[in-house]
Amino acid sequence: EVQLVESGGGLIQPGGSLRLSCAASGFTVSSNYMSWVRQAPGKGLEWVSVIYSGGSTYYADSVKGRFTISRDNSKNTLYLQMNSLRAEDTAVYYCIAVAGSEYFDYWGQGTLVTVSS
Amino acid sequence: EIVLTQSPATLSLSPGERATLSCRASQSVSSYLAWYQQKPGQAPRLLIYDASNRATGIPARFSGSGSGTDFTLTISSLEPEDFAVYYCQQRSNWPSFTFGQGTRLEIK
Repeated sequence: EVQLVESGGGLIQPGGSLRLSCAASGFTVSSNYMSWVRQAPGKGLEWVSVIYSGGSTYYADSVKGRFTISRDNSKNTLYLQMNSLRAEDTAVYYCIAVAGSEYFDYWGQGTLVTVSS
Repeated sequence: EIVLTQSPATLSLSPGERATLSCRASQSVSSYLAWYQQKPGQAPRLLIYDASNRATGIPARFSGSGSGTDFTLTISSLEPEDFAVYYCQQRSNWPSFTFGQGTRLEIK
């Protein structure tokens, strides 16, 4: 059974930094691509970033230059380093694993990031 | 950027009725479209991928159709647990993925 467990969310002031982690079990983070998607309170889904098996990374324009996706294969963990946080980054952040469908097959439970002074 | 527009925004139906949800893309996405279901307080769940393929464990009452710019998710006979928000998502415009704004399916 695939499990993705996010951690690292919380309340942070504008301009601050936060690192989210996603510990995977039943799935190898380097086997295919993994992604982060966020959902602002009461709003829809927004794709944030992706990392492919070969290590290539891509970002939504809204976070480019501020967020960095990475993984640690030895820990089977995905990360999202978030810098220069803004109020509009407030959201639940979901870790996603892509498997056979090549879409967002497995989702974590989400971790809430609140950017506020 | 490919924009996905879902309609209607809210759909009010009764259990046992047929639900038809629409997703329109601003340019062709071929068949690279998926549908997700999200219930309150839960993460989304993949229902349909590549426009018409059911994901593992998804009941047969869910079906998807379409290609190019127009897509449909059909729920043949609504069960109480089907009332939720549904999102479409494209992966044609690699490496960018976009979602529609969602359709809320509510009990009439």
